[in-house]
Amino acid sequence: EAGVVQSPRYKIIEKKQPVAFWCNPISGHNTLYWYLQNLGQGPELLIRYENEEAVDDSQLPKDRFSAERLKGVDSTLKIQPAELGDSAVYLCASSLGGWRGSTGELFFGEGSRLTVL
Amino acid sequence: AQSVAQPEDQVNVAEGNPLTVKCTYSVSGNPYLFWYVQYPNRGLQFLLKYITGDNLVKGSYGFEAEFNKSQTSFHLKKPSALVSDSALYFCAVRDGVYGQNFVFGPGTRLSVLP
Repeated sequence: EAGVVQSPRYKIIEKKQPVAFWCNPISGHNTLYWYLQNLGQGPELLIRYENEEAVDDSQLPKDRFSAERLKGVDSTLKIQPAELGDSAVYLCASSLGGWRGSTGELFFGEGSRLTVL
Repeated sequence: AQSVAQPEDQVNVAEGNPLTVKCTYSVSGNPYLFWYVQYPNRGLQFLLKYITGDNLVKGSYGFEAEFNKSQTSFHLKKPSALVSDSALYFCAVRDGVYGQNFVFGPGTRLSVLP
């Protein structure tokens, strides 16, 4: 079974440029997460989807960040315009979801490392 | 709201010795606790979880964790450390049976010295 797939793995851009990250979750996982991870720190939630609905986006900086999950499968996270402080790893994760009474863990992708110059 | 603390930024242990990585948590209701490991330039990999039942949970790669409700702790342990265990370890808590909010600790860097 394929795991969570993210692309690109690495991205280097100039500040003020746009950037987008893509995530394909594990098949059948209805809950999808985007996390921000700064170097040597724990992941911090940006947004959580249940199917195509964003149920928790309270930590997403909405002035420059946006996300979508069309058809409740793949998801895209966009930053426009990027700032120097956005340099970090953007992790996507998926899980079966709580409504099934799942005690399941999160499954993470390899992450997308963004460097803003 | 739930929270997780990992009091040690760094843990050093000699190969072959037992290791412990500490985690304490705060959550309303029953805790659902997880440990993840992260190798350089990789995503987080699931090691083990505590949902209910036996306080000693066994997981991948010979790791185990002990849930202690009175001390609100969930320490990760391994009887004999390997150099390949050197990585960043994260403790996480989930909010309840149907909750899907996971909160991660700041991480502990484990270095196993040959």
